[in-house]
Amino acid sequence: AQSVTQPDIHITVSEGASLELRCNYSYGATPYLFWYVQSPGQGLQLLLKYFSGDTLVQGIKGFEAEFKRSQSSFNLRKPSVHWSDAAEYFCAVSGGSYIPTFGRGTSLIVHP
Amino acid sequence: ETGVTQSPTHLIKTRGQQVTLRCSSQSGHNTVSWYQQALGQGPQFIFQYYREEENGRGNFPPRFSGLQFPNYSSELNVNALELDDSALYLCASSSKTGGAGEKLFFGSGTQLSVL
Repeated sequence: AQSVTQPDIHITVSEGASLELRCNYSYGATPYLFWYVQSPGQGLQLLLKYFSGDTLVQGIKGFEAEFKRSQSSFNLRKPSVHWSDAAEYFCAVSGGSYIPTFGRGTSLIVHP
Repeated sequence: ETGVTQSPTHLIKTRGQQVTLRCSSQSGHNTVSWYQQALGQGPQFIFQYYREEENGRGNFPPRFSGLQFPNYSSELNVNALELDDSALYLCASSSKTGGAGEKLFFGSGTQLSVL
């Protein structure tokens, strides 16, 4: 079975500061990993995904994530946060079933 | 290209009633998935339809059922509503090409409140 843990329920950063959101996954083989963002009242939008190859993945809106097999992690990073980045962020994993399992999410709060 | 649209956006029902939620997939997509997102939680997979056939189901009881139509639009039906069914219901479409990890395109959801 596949699962995702996002250990941080809330993260607060100041605008312009760097950001790292943590994600740990459980899956027996090489996983397919995703980060989605959800703004209030909206559906989820894909930020980036990892299948194979380069372990550092670039996404939209200046986000990147690094796959670390030894740590079963796929942390999301951004060097400088903007106020518009305030949202809920979900990490997801999928494997042979092709159906992603989502974490419970991390709420990002951005202070001016 | 058109995005994924869901209707209605909000709905209030009472316990024991039945509800139908609708989803129009993104143009060119033949797969639709439904998710339930309770407050403060991540989306939980309900089921997926591919070319009008159920193609996978999560841990939800049979009173959650669905349909996919020839134009790839979809419905989620919930019978005998319970208070715990109150949640945001998300529809996501994708183009199943046979590869894992396909990108999902989500609608904005239907917020269901059961009183």
